[in-house]
Amino acid sequence: GDSVTQMEGPVTLSEEAFLTINCTYTATGYPSLFWYVQYPGEGLQLLLKATKADDKGSNKGFEATYRKETTSFHLEKGSVQVSDSAVYFCALRSATNKLIFGTGTLLAVQP
Amino acid sequence: SAVISQKPSRDICQRGTSLTIQCQVDSQVTMMFWYRQQPGQSLTLIATANQGSEATYESGFVIDKFPISRPNLTFSTLTVSNMSPEDSSIYLCSVGQGAGEAFFGQGTRLTVV
Repeated sequence: GDSVTQMEGPVTLSEEAFLTINCTYTATGYPSLFWYVQYPGEGLQLLLKATKADDKGSNKGFEATYRKETTSFHLEKGSVQVSDSAVYFCALRSATNKLIFGTGTLLAVQP
Repeated sequence: SAVISQKPSRDICQRGTSLTIQCQVDSQVTMMFWYRQQPGQSLTLIATANQGSEATYESGFVIDKFPISRPNLTFSTLTVSNMSPEDSSIYLCSVGQGAGEAFFGQGTRLTVV
């Protein structure tokens, strides 16, 4: 079945460091791909999305490119801030329109 | 976009009791979804709640344990029945998965003691 694999955390970075959180997927066809963010004590919020191969989603300085050849959707940010500390979830929408989530990656940014 | 309100935001319950979680959406939606997020885990879909019909449960979840109501197009409830400590989780309501992005409530943090 469809699945999402993302790198385990926690990821601890200093402010202004470069961030990469890896995400790969297994799915039938070409699913839409998403990154969701969960700040402490809050529900999930959509961070960015891409709906077809080679699309780049971007928001708040975060980017991710839909790579069909490597079935990947890695999240990147050039300079993280303390306020970016959260749990990040990679997800895909399956052929049955259900969202399949990865296990989440905790990011801790230190001043 | 959709704004989702969940109540309660957290609760501590005795084992063997039941808790009903409410989800209110600020617009009419066809499908509402209930997820469970166990400590340190990702989100697992419990069921899809359709207005006017019985909920559709995912593998591993049954109606007797997680009865769901969907009385209208803006409201749904999830009950966690006969609770045990293993039911301690965050329960999340979601809408909007059919065509666009999904929106989530802030979640209900349940602790069973």
